[in-house]
Amino acid sequence: DIQMTQSPSVLSASVGDRVTLNCKASQNINKYLNWYQQKLGEAPKLLIYNTNNLQTGIPSRFSGSGSGTDYTLTISSLQPEDVATYFCFQHNSWNTFGAGTKLELK
Amino acid sequence: QVQLQQSGAELAKPGSSVKISCKASGYTFTSYYISWIKQTTGQGLEYIGYINTGSGGTNYNEKFKGKATLTVDKSSSTAFMQLSSLTPDDSAVYYCARGRGYNPHWGQGVMVTVSS
Repeated sequence: DIQMTQSPSVLSASVGDRVTLNCKASQNINKYLNWYQQKLGEAPKLLIYNTNNLQTGIPSRFSGSGSGTDYTLTISSLQPEDVATYFCFQHNSWNTFGAGTKLELK
Repeated sequence: QVQLQQSGAELAKPGSSVKISCKASGYTFTSYYISWIKQTTGQGLEYIGYINTGSGGTNYNEKFKGKATLTVDKSSSTAFMQLSSLTPDDSAVYYCARGRGYNPHWGQGVMVTVSS
């Protein structure tokens, strides 16, 4: 099974900061990597699919990049409503989620 | 608009079974797979499996074989997941989502609590 490791597990940042979240796969996942945002009490929300494709309706401050085993979600200018937990998800070989990065306001 | 409406919270006793539902609307039900995902505080998000809503064909995470059974009722555009031989480890929020690797639409989740 492919393991997904997210870092950091908790990230504190200020409004307006550029924020980078990381996700590392235990083997090459060929860019089949999605990012989800989950707020308390809600279902996960798809932000980015297949590494760098912005889901419809998602603000352009969110972007994704990566290849092979290493992937990144970037928020160009953090907004208060971005406080949430972010999960990466690979669907190259079966389907596996990362453990999440909790994003807090400093 | 696409909606996935899941059934209500369940309280079940150890050893029993529950069957939760996911009613789809706003699109052609048989054109998309339905996936099921488990979320716990300790284990995070786990992918249980998916069902081909047209053929009824299924694919399960090895961990959930024998635990989860996925079915559909095309006449009502509803997907079901039965969880059997429940233990406290099955206590979780269970989500359905449209699609396999690309899941932009999710149900609201069903909380299943297993307790004597």
